[in-house]
Amino acid sequence: DAGITQSPRHKVTETGTPVTLRCHQTENHRYMYWYRQDPGHGLRLIHYSYGVKDTDKGEVSDGYSVSRSKTEDFLLTLESATSSQTSVYFCAISLGGAHNEQFFGPGTRLTVL
Amino acid sequence: AQSVTQLDSQVPVFEEAPVELRCNYSSSVSVYLFWYVQYPNQGLQLLLKYLSGSTLVKGINGFEAEFNKSQTSFHLRKPSVHISDTAEYFCAVSPSGRGGGNKLTFGTGTQLKVEL
Repeated sequence: DAGITQSPRHKVTETGTPVTLRCHQTENHRYMYWYRQDPGHGLRLIHYSYGVKDTDKGEVSDGYSVSRSKTEDFLLTLESATSSQTSVYFCAISLGGAHNEQFFGPGTRLTVL
Repeated sequence: AQSVTQLDSQVPVFEEAPVELRCNYSSSVSVYLFWYVQYPNQGLQLLLKYLSGSTLVKGINGFEAEFNKSQTSFHLRKPSVHISDTAEYFCAVSPSGRGGGNKLTFGTGTQLKVEL
């Protein structure tokens, strides 16, 4: 257990509503990541953070924003959810440097109707 | 940019038989390589990683992988599988060195189904 929690674990929402997913870590790792997992696509990086208030876009960032005001929390926001954002979202953390592996949270299943 | 190809979307195998899950990558820079396993309704767990040194890497649960730079491959192997190895396996790559943000690029996954 890498000390990562995600909330909520499941959410059903309607098209056009805002949604915020939270990732919380107790490890004080510098790097945090948000991925989405879809059948046939594996995991794709949405956004990542390399420190408080330092974030950057990943491969599939359109329609998503992130914020990191504290080391331990990384928020992913869908400003206006669409059905194409129905997915399983995973948060991950990494020490960085020589410790290159990422540790993953349990995931959030989001359904947009 | 990096890319990862996992050619086999599903691999059925009988219990106690050997298995190989294939992974090929493409990159213009040196890379680190990883294999992750995902059990149903769970997050991903690191099986093993190659950062440098010996090209044969041993991981958890009896798995091993061999880095072949000339063939840009990092195939995962286990000499004798168990029912509990049924899961989805992901190969991933990240650029080595500083400045890359440790970003991972994943393959599309291989579903390993172990049958009795």
